Amino acid sequence: QVQLQESGPGLVKPSQTLSLTCTVSGGSITSGSSYWSWIRQPPGKGLEWIGYIYYSGSTYYNESLKSRVIISVDTSKNQFSLNLTSVTAADTAVYFCARNYGDSFDFWGQGTLVTVSS
Amino acid sequence: EIVLTQSPATLSLSPGERATLSCRASQSVSSSLAWYQQRPGQAPRLLIYDVSNRATGIPVRFSGSGSGTDFTLTISSLEPEDFAVYYCQHRSNWLTFGGGTKVEMK
Repeated sequence: QVQLQESGPGLVKPSQTLSLTCTVSGGSITSGSSYWSWIRQPPGKGLEWIGYIYYSGSTYYNESLKSRVIISVDTSKNQFSLNLTSVTAADTAVYFCARNYGDSFDFWGQGTLVTVSS
Repeated sequence: EIVLTQSPATLSLSPGERATLSCRASQSVSSSLAWYQQRPGQAPRLLIYDVSNRATGIPVRFSGSGSGTDFTLTISSLEPEDFAVYYCQHRSNWLTFGGGTKVEMK
């Protein structure tokens, strides 16, 4: 069974870059037609898809975040990563990584809370 | 951009009752409509994909239906573990979620 685990700093200062990594286990990040996504959830609010990456490196981002987001993949480590630049308090959220399953998401990480504060 | 509106915001029911959750799209969508369950402090869990297909391991009491702009998640008989927040999700230009319906115990 595929498992995903997010890692990275829990506190980021305003205007800096938020960086998270998702480690995939129980399967290869290059298998099949797997796409891999980042999704976030501000405290007490709903879910927002950030973007996804294919193992080849091709990406697709939410238009509202596109100018600040870079998602990358490291197939040798079975990982993919999120960089979100110029963060503000509005970027405080639980960040999830997930595997795309067609047009949905079938496996999710447990999520990691990132707080933007000085 | 297609907007998904879920109703009601909160549904107060008792164990054993039937739950009917609605997801309405701002324009007609294809069959890429999914439903998720999220319990407090947990990641969302895929319940239904492509409108009516149950994901692996999902009990038969969960069913999805609908077409065009109106979609429904039905829980035929609520179990204690079903009290949670439910989200619908669609892919058009990008992937979007509805605002959620909280199913709480009456």
